[in-house]
Amino acid sequence: EIVLTQSPGTLSLSPGERATLSCRASHYVTTKYFAWYQQKPGQAPRLLIYGAFTRATGIPDRFSGSGSGTDLTLTISRVEPEDSAVYYCQHYGASPRFTFGQGTNLEI
Amino acid sequence: VQLLESGGGLEQPGGSLRLSCAASGLTFNNFAMSWVRQAPGKGLEWVSSITGNGAYTYYADSVKGRFTISRDNSNNMLFLQMNSLRVEDTALYYCAKEGFATVPGGYYYYLDVWGKGTSVTVSS
Repeated sequence: EIVLTQSPGTLSLSPGERATLSCRASHYVTTKYFAWYQQKPGQAPRLLIYGAFTRATGIPDRFSGSGSGTDLTLTISRVEPEDSAVYYCQHYGASPRFTFGQGTNLEI
Repeated sequence: VQLLESGGGLEQPGGSLRLSCAASGLTFNNFAMSWVRQAPGKGLEWVSSITGNGAYTYYADSVKGRFTISRDNSNNMLFLQMNSLRVEDTALYYCAKEGFATVPGGYYYYLDVWGKGTSVTVSS
C-alpha cells in the first residue's frame, strides 16, 4: 500500500512569490496516476492537476505539476492571496483505489 | 455537473445511516463515482468507489464489511449504506465523480467534481 508524504506541512509566502509543494511516494509508482487538489476552508476539494501534469478545466496556468518516480511537485509560479488553502496530492491505484497525502497548508 | 449529498446526521455507535448523492448535468452511467470523507480538522480519506454500470465496487479497509456503495442509474443517484457505525466514522462525507484518461494498456482515474458534503456524527 502506497503512502504519500507531503512537505512542507505549512508554507508561508508573500503575494508574487513562488510556491513549491512536494509529494513523495513510499515506492515507485506510475507518474501519470497522480493528481493535486486545492481545498479552501469550508469548501469541498477542487481538482487542480491530473495525470501529474495536466491542468483541470478553468485552472490558471500559474499552477503546474511536475516530477516522476516517487517525487511529485505542485508549483504555483506567483502566488495570490486567493491561493491560501490546503493542497493534497493523490494517487490512483489498484488497492486502495485512491490514496491522499496529508496535505500542505499554504498561507499567503 | 452538480452533486448534492444528503442523509447525514447523528447516530449512535453500532447504528446505521444511508447517504445519498443526487447527480445532474452528466450522463451518469458513463462515470464511476466515489465517496471520500474528511474527519474534523483532518485530511481526505477515500472510502469507496463504484463503476459506471455498478458491476464493480471498491472499499477502503477501514469500512470493508460495514459500508456498501450502490447506485441507481435510472435516477442518477449514488448511495452509501453505513452499518455498524463507529465513532471514528465521524466525518464530512463527499460524493465525487471520477474522471478518467487513457494510458497504454488501460485507464487512470481522478476525482474531478465534488459535492459540498454531508456531515455524519457517530456518538453516544
